[in-house]
Amino acid sequence: IQMTQSPSSLSASVGDRVTITCRSSQTITTYLNWYQQKPGKAPKLLIYAASSLQSGVPSRFSGSGSGTDFTLTISSLQREDFATYYCQQSYSTPLTFGGGTKVEIK
Amino acid sequence: EVQLVESGGGVAQPGGSLRLSCAASGFTFDDYTIHWVRQAPGKGLEWVSLINWDGGDTHYADSVQGRFTVSRDNSKNSLYLQMSSLTSADTAVYYCARGMEGAAAADDLDHWGQGTLVTVSS
Repeated sequence: IQMTQSPSSLSASVGDRVTITCRSSQTITTYLNWYQQKPGKAPKLLIYAASSLQSGVPSRFSGSGSGTDFTLTISSLQREDFATYYCQQSYSTPLTFGGGTKVEIK
Repeated sequence: EVQLVESGGGVAQPGGSLRLSCAASGFTFDDYTIHWVRQAPGKGLEWVSLINWDGGDTHYADSVQGRFTVSRDNSKNSLYLQMSSLTSADTAVYYCARGMEGAAAADDLDHWGQGTLVTVSS
């Protein structure tokens, strides 16, 4: 299953609303996860099962979608949110990740 | 506190072998599926392999099938990745990651190690 993220990068300001999209090449129902990765660090799970917020993750992060189209939204971008974000399908093996979206400071 | 600590990375020659380890603590190790995920320098994430709680079910990415073998020793709370026939394309940071509890969430990766770098070069 191919996972396609868009955009591959974006520039935004603190306080902006940011939306990242992920599309799968076939239906994955809601078997979709989102991760955040900062330089030199391991990825961190933000959202699982398309819309469930992982424990400890701020509520400004939200996920939506089902089938083949999914969205990660950051409602009000904070300085610590500048990072790269990846979607991942857990519908079937081999598990696959999107190419990543780098969120940079405008 | 859940901890996963990888070790065993280093430089290997093309065609050579290397064995990675992942030491787990802070949770009941044999309740969980564990995964290996890698990241080539400057690139995105690539899933490599998984092993279920008792080692009876394993899966691999096509890119490593037949060359890599995942195993675990629940008595030692440890996971292993035996890598052979290495090529430059295997150069990456290798992470072990825990799947969430429950069969439906076993492929949702909620805790990750810090990674170990494997460099394949002559």
